[in-house]
Amino acid sequence: AQTVTQSQPEMSVQEAETVTLSCTYDTSESDYYLFWYKQPPSRQMILVIRQEAYKQQNATENRFSVNFQKAAKSFSLKISDSQLGDAAMYFCAYRSASNSNSGYALNFGKGTSLLVTP
Amino acid sequence: DSGVTQTPKHLITATGQRVTLRCSPRSGDLSVYWYQQSLDQGLQFLIQYYNGEERAKGNILERFSAQQFPDLHSELNLSSLELGDSALYFCASSLLPGLSQPQHFGDGTRLSIL
Repeated sequence: AQTVTQSQPEMSVQEAETVTLSCTYDTSESDYYLFWYKQPPSRQMILVIRQEAYKQQNATENRFSVNFQKAAKSFSLKISDSQLGDAAMYFCAYRSASNSNSGYALNFGKGTSLLVTP
Repeated sequence: DSGVTQTPKHLITATGQRVTLRCSPRSGDLSVYWYQQSLDQGLQFLIQYYNGEERAKGNILERFSAQQFPDLHSELNLSSLELGDSALYFCASSLLPGLSQPQHFGDGTRLSIL
């Protein structure tokens, strides 16, 4: 089974600054998808950004971008110009592109709690 | 608003009881996923349905079962509840399994076992 590791339980950033959240994963598959989800105190799971493994270009969504290093099995999230509303738990997730035993379910890391200070 | 509706939002019950959690997927989505989020286990996949049929199982206990109905809504049944079943239960939906489209999550049902 694929494992997703988020080595930073907590991170802190000042408003308007940039922060990078780390994620590594373990897989023997060549085709898969990676996601970052945000979970604010309201507990909703909100999709932040996604990356297809076959694409070399790093995904970007406004202030959010990823650094996808396929060979290193690394998928970090960069948040630029951090805002108070970015404070949340961030989860990295892996999804196979093939119908494995777990179907197309998401495999989540343990999460990184991001604190944004004024 | 993700378009995925979960009811109830909160559920408080006692050990040994049985509860049913309900999920309505986004309009047009055929696949439903159930996840459990607890402090010690994190976010875990429980089970997936596609167009009424079970497609994949994750770490779902035998005391738990689910189904997807012809109108595509899904129910997760939890029985013989134990204190350790206290968790946030999410339902997510996607159009079809296997596509690049992401799963969209409901707001979850918070289950508290007393």
